[in-house]
Amino acid sequence: NAGVTQTPKFRVLKTGQSMTLLCAQDMNHEYMYWYRQDPGMGLRLIHYSVGEGTTAKGEVPDGYNVSRLKKQNFLLGLESAAPSQTSVYFCASSTQASGRSNEQFFGPGTRLTVL
Amino acid sequence: AQSVTQLGSHVSVSEGALVLLRCNYSSSVPPYLFWYVQYPNQGLQLLLKYTTGATLVKGINGFEAEFKKSETSFHLTKPSAHMSDAAEYFCAVSYGGATNKLIFGTGTLLAVQP
Repeated sequence: NAGVTQTPKFRVLKTGQSMTLLCAQDMNHEYMYWYRQDPGMGLRLIHYSVGEGTTAKGEVPDGYNVSRLKKQNFLLGLESAAPSQTSVYFCASSTQASGRSNEQFFGPGTRLTVL
Repeated sequence: AQSVTQLGSHVSVSEGALVLLRCNYSSSVPPYLFWYVQYPNQGLQLLLKYTTGATLVKGINGFEAEFKKSETSFHLTKPSAHMSDAAEYFCAVSYGGATNKLIFGTGTLLAVQP
């Protein structure tokens, strides 16, 4: 049981390049999330999904797109990378809330640098 | 909008001393409350959570937190710090519902001095 995995672990891009970050979970969770972590700002929600085929915007969605074609995978895309997107990206997943709040399980992160 | 405030971005304690990390939330509706820990170059790991029931919550590694509704607080404590507690700690709140979204504080970096 690997939990939440993220690919790649590190990446360096040039301004204007595109890339896709992959998140996979093997816990059969309905909900998945993408966050970015920047110094002094905690974690901010980029996009999230409450089920296969559904996505929604979070707090800081601009410049990112996502897709959830399979329940276990959640992809985060950068179409034209900018230096402001230099950050550490975390994926998380959880079971359905069912009227209360459930723990989110986090992946190890992807460190992205945009030059 | 709901928010989470963590007082002190850096806290330093001596090994064996009390650890106190502060967290306050802004909401008239009591949320669900979480503390996560992040060790260097790793993801976030749940320390403890409060959803319902007893307001004093015990977590892993000897940490505990008390939900005080009147003070809108959920401070994290540990009686005796260990070198291995050095990490960044994040308080987070959720209101459940259809999305289970978390709102994070900005984090507190705990240093433990020998």
